[in-house]
Amino acid sequence: DTEVTQTPKHLVMGMTNKKSLKCEQHMGHRAMYWYKQKAKKPPELMFVYSYEKLSINESVPSRFSPECPNSSLLNLHLHALQPEDSALYLCASSQVTGPTVGVYGYTFGSGTRLTVV
Amino acid sequence: AQSVTQPDIHITVSEGASLELRCNYSYGATPYLFWYVQSPGQGLQLLLKYFSGDTLVQGIKGFEAEFKRSQSSFNLRKPSVHWSDAAEYFCATLRIKAAGNKLTFGGGTRVLVKP
Repeated sequence: DTEVTQTPKHLVMGMTNKKSLKCEQHMGHRAMYWYKQKAKKPPELMFVYSYEKLSINESVPSRFSPECPNSSLLNLHLHALQPEDSALYLCASSQVTGPTVGVYGYTFGSGTRLTVV
Repeated sequence: AQSVTQPDIHITVSEGASLELRCNYSYGATPYLFWYVQSPGQGLQLLLKYFSGDTLVQGIKGFEAEFKRSQSSFNLRKPSVHWSDAAEYFCATLRIKAAGNKLTFGGGTRVLVKP
């Protein structure tokens, strides 16, 4: 299995809703990432998990809450979002952390298209 | 700060013609560099990567890139484009730190393929 699977593919939620995005990989990667991509823009890093621990938070608002229950699964819990949070949310994983990660690169999922109404 | 820039926002090319996408990096040491492709509404697919060794890198789908330290560039090329190559292309660089690695993207180049 060489894929990163994200569910759901599309999500529409109201500003008072609570929802979660799910990301799963079975490649044995020990680093997982959440990126946010607005239309016609490059992806922007939100969070990095290394060995199931949060290692980087790019000053993301607390209405986004990441969780890494195990080495294969990464969640992004959403609460009280704003319309400007509408975007494509991409999950990625990499084989190792540290200097040798450059050898392998990142594997991205297809993303969850989120619309906040 | 370590970064990459893509000078061209859009490029239009005829099917069968050659394609070159520009990427300039800003980093003192040898950077980790990548090219990704994104079809509309899809995730990103890795085309190729460079971190050391041979400066001409072969990737998937017939793409190649050349690392030129003297020009701080890592341009992507394809000799003959197909209509399916129409997509957004991102150059990216990887920052390695003990706290975690950060993959940072250039602004992207949208490629349109004319029949």
